[in-house]
Amino acid sequence: GENVEQHPSTLSVQEGDSAVIKCTYSDSASNYFPWYKQELGKRPQLIIDIRSNVGEKKDQRIAVTLNKTAKHFSLHITETQPEDSAVYFCAATLFSGGYNKLIFGAGTRLAVHP
Amino acid sequence: DTEVTQTPKHLVMGMTNKKSLKCEQHMGHRAMYWYKQKAKKPPELMFVYSYEKLSINESVPSRFSPECPNSSLLNLHLHALQPEDSALYLCASSHGAGNTGELFFGEGSRLTVL
Repeated sequence: GENVEQHPSTLSVQEGDSAVIKCTYSDSASNYFPWYKQELGKRPQLIIDIRSNVGEKKDQRIAVTLNKTAKHFSLHITETQPEDSAVYFCAATLFSGGYNKLIFGAGTRLAVHP
Repeated sequence: DTEVTQTPKHLVMGMTNKKSLKCEQHMGHRAMYWYKQKAKKPPELMFVYSYEKLSINESVPSRFSPECPNSSLLNLHLHALQPEDSALYLCASSHGAGNTGELFFGEGSRLTVL
């Protein structure tokens, strides 16, 4: 089955620095790769997603890149701010039993220090 | 209305109790999901309903029984749970049933089994 590995598990940066989180997936048929942010005690919320026909997508300070050949995708946050502190989950689709399922990575706890 | 509403927010139950978790969305979404999230772990898929029919059951023990009374409501009936079932139970919905679009999560129901 699909396996999504996410690194690092924790990341600490100074305000204004960039943060990069990387994920690899195993199913070459995966075609949808979302990133979710979960603040402490809150629900996961989609921050950006990318589909397999696109190599890069940007939304203000957030960007995602996808390398289908290597089967990895990355989240880039520039000019980090304290409110970026949260757990970030990557995910990839797995087509199994006639249905798509989202498989989540283990998560990265990002701490942005003022 | 762009929210998924879950009740109750907190639930404490004994191993012999029967209780239910409820989820509601009025976004016209055709797929609804139950996820289980343990502390410091990613959401783990339990069930998926597509067009009010159960499409995915991730081999969840029968002490968890999902129900989708209509396209806006999703219930999770709980019976004879174990302490290890204590977790945050997240409901989510998505526009399409293909699991390749944004998941809208509720705030979750935090369950404690004594």
